[in-house]
Amino acid sequence: EDQVTQSPEALRLQEGESSSLNCSYTVSGLRGLFWYRQDPGKGPEFLFTLYSAGEEKEKERLKATLTKKESFLHITAPKPEDSATYLCAVCDSGYALNFGKGTSLLVTP
Amino acid sequence: GAGVSQSPSNKVTEKGKDVELRCDPISGHTALYWYRQSLGQGLEFLIYFQGNSAPDKSGLPSDRFSAERTGGSVSTLTIQRTQQEDSAVYLCASSHPRGELFFGEGSRLTVL
Repeated sequence: EDQVTQSPEALRLQEGESSSLNCSYTVSGLRGLFWYRQDPGKGPEFLFTLYSAGEEKEKERLKATLTKKESFLHITAPKPEDSATYLCAVCDSGYALNFGKGTSLLVTP
Repeated sequence: GAGVSQSPSNKVTEKGKDVELRCDPISGHTALYWYRQSLGQGLEFLIYFQGNSAPDKSGLPSDRFSAERTGGSVSTLTIQRTQQEDSAVYLCASSHPRGELFFGEGSRLTVL
């Protein structure tokens, strides 16, 4: 059973068209939820860590929020350079991060 | 550099050969992780090191896979008798304990 499920698998937006990516998780004892950005041929790049329900973090056009069951990555007025795969991961009682399969975002001019 | 360094960036090998992949973590990071990313798949956890010891080897897919870390720094992932299904990008990451992971660019392995 997947611990982390991301949706949609792929998303195409026009430049300036705001939207949200979803990450739902089923772990108990969440120690942290992480968002990463991955460009083609590159390693994942850290964006945010969220630790408790109600927490929010922002960076430029991105805002991450967390509830007890899911996290959202809100993208406000995206630009073409925001095109990438966005990965969500959770840390429970272990040490490793468990990753979802990602959402591939394409922002067109 | 200041980031996680992996080598080689690309490796093409023949089925049955052994390969070694190297990871040089961020200085001062005591935790080191290896993940595998196959086309269209998520990141698959392989092994975790804290210092030179590996408390969690649960993700290694078979006994053909092994890893070591020396001096609390550089790590080597070894795949013996490679198979075509081993083709993937192997990613290394380092962190402070329970901190965010910082990834290298990966080693792309192709087994012919």
